[in-house]
Amino acid sequence: AQSVTQLDSQVPVFEEAPVELRCNYSSSVSVYLFWYVQYPNQGLQLLLKYLSGSTLVKGINGFEAEFNKSQTSFHLRKPSVHISDTAEYFCAVSEVTGGGNKLTFGTGTQLKVEL
Amino acid sequence: DVKVTQSSRYLVKRTGEKVFLECVQDMDHENMFWYRQDPGLGLRLIYFSYDVKMKEKGDIPEGYSVSREKKERFSLILESASTNQTSMYLCASLDVNSPLHFGNGTRLTVT
Repeated sequence: AQSVTQLDSQVPVFEEAPVELRCNYSSSVSVYLFWYVQYPNQGLQLLLKYLSGSTLVKGINGFEAEFNKSQTSFHLRKPSVHISDTAEYFCAVSEVTGGGNKLTFGTGTQLKVEL
Repeated sequence: DVKVTQSSRYLVKRTGEKVFLECVQDMDHENMFWYRQDPGLGLRLIYFSYDVKMKEKGDIPEGYSVSREKKERFSLILESASTNQTSMYLCASLDVNSPLHFGNGTRLTVT
């Protein structure tokens, strides 16, 4: 069965500093990987996804993530954060199977950007 | 743009009541999901459905059931609501070539 671990529950960072949010997954088969963002009082929206091909994936709002198969990781990065990036970020994994696509989410990382 | 609509944004129910949470998507997606979101626990899958009248248990199905009579509608049912079912409930849909699209959620309080 697939699983996702987000190692940091909270990450405080100053504005314009770089940030990395960590995500590790476990699966016995090939996977698709996703990062979602949830702003306060809103639903989740997709930041970026890895399905195949280049291991460096670029998403919206200047975020990017790198798929590392040997380390089973999919860390999210941004070189310079803004106050508006304050939100909760969820990593998710879906196993590549012929059946229905089931996403498993991590427990989330709260990113707090401070002045 | 895909739209996933959850019928209620906030809901307050009493212990023992039967509760229906409705979700409708407008993009003819095959797969639909119900998650609950709790602080520190992330999103946990309750049930999902990959076709009309088909349903699969997720990771925490106990105390819940679902109904998918039409492709666009996926209902979550709490047969007898309990206080530990107070949570944010998120519905989502996807198709083969699309990512998961979420509704805005229903915050259910069971008193």
